[in-house]
Amino acid sequence: DAGVTQSPTHLIKTRGQHVTLRCSPISGHKSVSWYQQVLGQGPQFIFQYYEKEERGRGNFPDRFSARQFPNYSSELNVNALLLGDSALYLCASSLTFEQFFGPGTRLTVL
Amino acid sequence: RKEVEQDPGPFNVPEGATVAFNCTYSNSASQSFFWYRQDCRKEPKLLMSVYSSGNEDGRFTAQLNRASQYISLLIRDSKLSDSATYLCAVTDSNYQLIWGAGTKLIIKP
Repeated sequence: DAGVTQSPTHLIKTRGQHVTLRCSPISGHKSVSWYQQVLGQGPQFIFQYYEKEERGRGNFPDRFSARQFPNYSSELNVNALLLGDSALYLCASSLTFEQFFGPGTRLTVL
Repeated sequence: RKEVEQDPGPFNVPEGATVAFNCTYSNSASQSFFWYRQDCRKEPKLLMSVYSSGNEDGRFTAQLNRASQYISLLIRDSKLSDSATYLCAVTDSNYQLIWGAGTKLIIKP
């Protein structure tokens, strides 16, 4: 069975641009969570979606938004990129509380 | 105080030794607890869930101490391939996962 997939794997953007990251969950999983991870830290929770509804939002500015589609895939959008947005963006899917991660998208903002 | 705290390490351990590390959490309402393993520049991979009764999977044993609000991970007969960063995660009051910063483990031959 395919695991969680994310695209793209790497991305380089400049300040002020916007970015869209994509995630497909494990088949049968209806919940998707997004995390930001910078070097030396644990993942920081951004959003959780379940059945296309936002279930939780972390402490991130309104520049960050997300949505979940009828097939349970998800997009994370970040507007007006800042240098500090450079990080590994992880998507996790879950059936219960155990979360399974995709390989991540490494975003570099120049 | 951070919600979830871990000793960042690194723990330098000879191959074959036993190593243990803890993870403390501040929210007494936390219900679910997990250990993940993360290799350099890779995604976290679920190692094991931590149940009230403890959990053992081969060389790995996880335990929960609700009274003192910590979980532990014990690795026996450590292998070179166990070198990684070990992250703990606990659910908050909204059932979202809150993560520690990870403990780096280096197994030396």
